[in-house]
Amino acid sequence: GQNIDQPTEMTATEGAIVQINCTYQTSGFNGLFWYQQHAGEAPTFLSYNVLDGLEEKGRFSSFLSRSKGYSYLLLKELQMKDSASYLCAALYSGAGSYQLTFGKGTKLSVIP
Amino acid sequence: SQTIHQWPATLVQPVGSPLSLECTVEGTSNPNLYWYRQAAGRGLQLLFYSVGIGQISSEVPQNLSASRPQDRQFILSSKKLLLSDSGFYLCAWSPSMWTEAFFGQGTRLTVV
Repeated sequence: GQNIDQPTEMTATEGAIVQINCTYQTSGFNGLFWYQQHAGEAPTFLSYNVLDGLEEKGRFSSFLSRSKGYSYLLLKELQMKDSASYLCAALYSGAGSYQLTFGKGTKLSVIP
Repeated sequence: SQTIHQWPATLVQPVGSPLSLECTVEGTSNPNLYWYRQAAGRGLQLLFYSVGIGQISSEVPQNLSASRPQDRQFILSSKKLLLSDSGFYLCAWSPSMWTEAFFGQGTRLTVV
């Protein structure tokens, strides 16, 4: 299988910056997604990285290093509403099909 | 714009009873459709995906089944529920296998 590893929980202060890391197996890898999921709700799409480098989208940025099998999600100017689980998902291809494999998610708690 | 509808939002069913969860997508044609399950403390697990009417791929052997009777309708079923079937079930769609998925609001199933 394709293991996706990310920290289980993180805590950060309102207004601060937090980086959530994700590592994945590189064989068959095609791209890396980040999703946000508030408790009891469905995941919502945040970002998609295919090429190496940093993708910035407002307060959120996502970085990818394909050779290292590594990605991170960077959240700036944290707000209380950013408290949620952040899911890393890697897209793999093989035998003519694609499969999206999710990590277990990182539960981020933003404190005043 | 595209929307995805999933129902019911919550469901409590006794062990051994049947299950039918329905998901429909509007505003697009020939979407890729997915059923995921999210158990407590675990990541999103892909159960089934479909690239077209009548085409179902199963990722995990279990007592669940899926059907796609129409282009934008995806149904998750079981003849006899087990306690271990409890979880948060999410339907999702994507334009293609290599793009981001958009999730329905989910069904929280409790088997008692």
